[in-house]
Amino acid sequence: QITLKESGPTLVKPTQTLTLTCTFSGFSLSTDGVGVAWLRQPPGKALEWLAIIYWDGDKRYSPPLKSRLTITKDTSEHQVVLTVTNMDPVDTATYFCAHMLRGPGCGGSRCYYYDYWGQGTLVTVSS
Amino acid sequence: QSVVTQPPSASGTPGQRVTISCSGSSSNIGSNYVYWYQQLPGTAPKLLIYRNDQRPSGVPDRFSGSKSSTSASLAISGLRSEDEADYFCAVWTDSLSGRWVFGGGTKLTVL
Repeated sequence: QITLKESGPTLVKPTQTLTLTCTFSGFSLSTDGVGVAWLRQPPGKALEWLAIIYWDGDKRYSPPLKSRLTITKDTSEHQVVLTVTNMDPVDTATYFCAHMLRGPGCGGSRCYYYDYWGQGTLVTVSS
Repeated sequence: QSVVTQPPSASGTPGQRVTISCSGSSSNIGSNYVYWYQQLPGTAPKLLIYRNDQRPSGVPDRFSGSKSSTSASLAISGLRSEDEADYFCAVWTDSLSGRWVFGGGTKLTVL
């Protein structure tokens, strides 16, 4: 059974760096065709994809946010960490991590999809 | 403003069939697979449909997906009260060096 859980601060101040941890079980991030992604959803708005780290260590970032994001994995600890620098009130959102699986007969980022999600953690940016 | 658009709300009575649309463009829906998720309040999103029309094991066959050109649809037949939730579509877009985009979500109310 695959489970993921997000953890981190619920409140950060503007300009601070946010560090979120996704702790997962039921799969290995060393397995071919697996990835873990971070996404967020501001209150009342659509989901926004942030970053993905794949089983082979490859990483992809959302182009508009790329300069502020870093995603890393600790395979042995079953964790994926996302850092977001220079936080702003517009970054207030529920942050999710999700397990990604590559579809059969396909290669590249477009072939992975989210099949299991964490429940999310609300992060508020305010002074 | 989402790159892919969904109606903000939909409704139906128990037993009815409802459809939720997801409209995009040639760079997203027109050239990539569409995925559908169900989200109950305060819970993790659940995958309902992958690769346009495939159901994961455990998802009832009351849920079905389809795609035509630059639009996709999720259909729910035999509507039940427990289907009341938010539904959103997801698709890869080839624009801006490639990224995932999501519909704004549709709140389904079972009357």
